[in-house]
Amino acid sequence: DTEVTQTPKHLVMGMTNKKSLKCEQHMGHRAMYWYKQKAKKPPELMFVYSYEKLSINESVPSRFSPECPNSSLLNLHLHALQPEDSALYLCASSQKGERDTQYFGPGTRLTVL
Amino acid sequence: QKEVEQNSGPLSVPEGAIASLNCTYSDRGSQSFFWYRQYSGKSPELIMFIYSNGDKEDGRFTAQLNKASQYVSLLIRDSQPSDSATYLCAVKTSYDKVIFGPGTSLSVIP
Repeated sequence: DTEVTQTPKHLVMGMTNKKSLKCEQHMGHRAMYWYKQKAKKPPELMFVYSYEKLSINESVPSRFSPECPNSSLLNLHLHALQPEDSALYLCASSQKGERDTQYFGPGTRLTVL
Repeated sequence: QKEVEQNSGPLSVPEGAIASLNCTYSDRGSQSFFWYRQYSGKSPELIMFIYSNGDKEDGRFTAQLNKASQYVSLLIRDSQPSDSATYLCAVKTSYDKVIFGPGTSLSVIP
């Protein structure tokens, strides 16, 4: 089973709202990732959690706040976003190690008004 | 120099033909190489991974890796209209990050 789930599938929010994206995997993977993808562009790495600790932050603005409550869950808290933050947000997980094959969830389509 | 580059598209092939997708990378210490397929509006789907020099075959797909040339390719035999998608090359670099190439759009014409 290589399933990563994400909720919600779609999210529309205003610039003053606070919302959260959720990601879950039950494959025993020890690394989890958030990516942002704009139309016709490749996924762009935002954050990496390795063994539940933040290991990589790609200089993401503080209006995006990641959280890893346990080894199966990953959240992305959103606050005071801008319209240019509208994108597909992808979660992925991998069994940490040299191979590091990442499996992606279906994504959350975020629209900021 | 971009870290991962792919042949510019869009690439169009007739149904039943071989589609050839190419990728080059800049970090000589890269260890793992992946091909993802992404349909419009969907998330990337892993179709192949390769770690060692040479060829790896899985059904209609063959991945080829040449670390000396810093080159990885994907061949799709007997291309089907359902193969029409964007193909993303991804490379795990020596600094422990997976970097995606810009993608190549493939269109298989019936």
